[in-house]
Amino acid sequence: QSALTQPASVSGSPGQSITISCTGTSSDVGGYNYVSWYQQHPGKAPKLMIYDVSNRPSGVSNRFSGSKSGNTASLTISGLQAEDEADYYCRSYTSSSTPSCVFGTGTKVTVL
Amino acid sequence: QLQLQESGPGLVKPSETLSLTCTVSGGSISSSGYYWGWIRQPPGKGLEWIGSIYYSGSTYYNPSLKSRVTISVDTSRNQFSLKLSSVTAADTALYFCARDTGGLGRGVDYWGQGTLVTVSS
Repeated sequence: QSALTQPASVSGSPGQSITISCTGTSSDVGGYNYVSWYQQHPGKAPKLMIYDVSNRPSGVSNRFSGSKSGNTASLTISGLQAEDEADYYCRSYTSSSTPSCVFGTGTKVTVL
Repeated sequence: QLQLQESGPGLVKPSETLSLTCTVSGGSISSSGYYWGWIRQPPGKGLEWIGSIYYSGSTYYNPSLKSRVTISVDTSRNQFSLKLSSVTAADTALYFCARDTGGLGRGVDYWGQGTLVTVSS
């Protein structure tokens, strides 16, 4: 199975909003509302930021929001802060061959 | 607070089998609705989903790894395990054990700290 496509890097100034895209197919992102997003700081385990396309786990800032249109999911970070600088990965459920999951290629977010 | 801890050899020879165990504490691996799985990350690269298991024993694997992967669960010890056969240098990675909440693919809400496995002779 092929990894979902994310931009390699996205940058923004403090206070700005940025959006990270995650493009798949009708067999994964487009076919199910099981898209999740993860934040990973260097040397750390990933942290769940969004699940089921747009739901935030308890404790995650409301500056993070998720959405989906067709085969592309998106993560928006509003009011960008220095601590948001990290790698971000999307993941989707897929049934292209057997029930499984597939991650995105990852996006490095830089706060200018 | 749920905790996951990986254990196993940090060095595996090419063509041999990589074996890791994840011990779950602070909660039961037999709780319904949770899937327990493995995710890896080669040095400097992205995340790759390896597979997951339900406490009943149902397994789900990455199709690209399926021929080499076995995930099993031991509910009596609150552990689940990964075996990856015929390893090569490409299998060198940080291996995380993790919990998917609410169903396969919905979201990984708990992660282990990760354990680095190097494939080298």
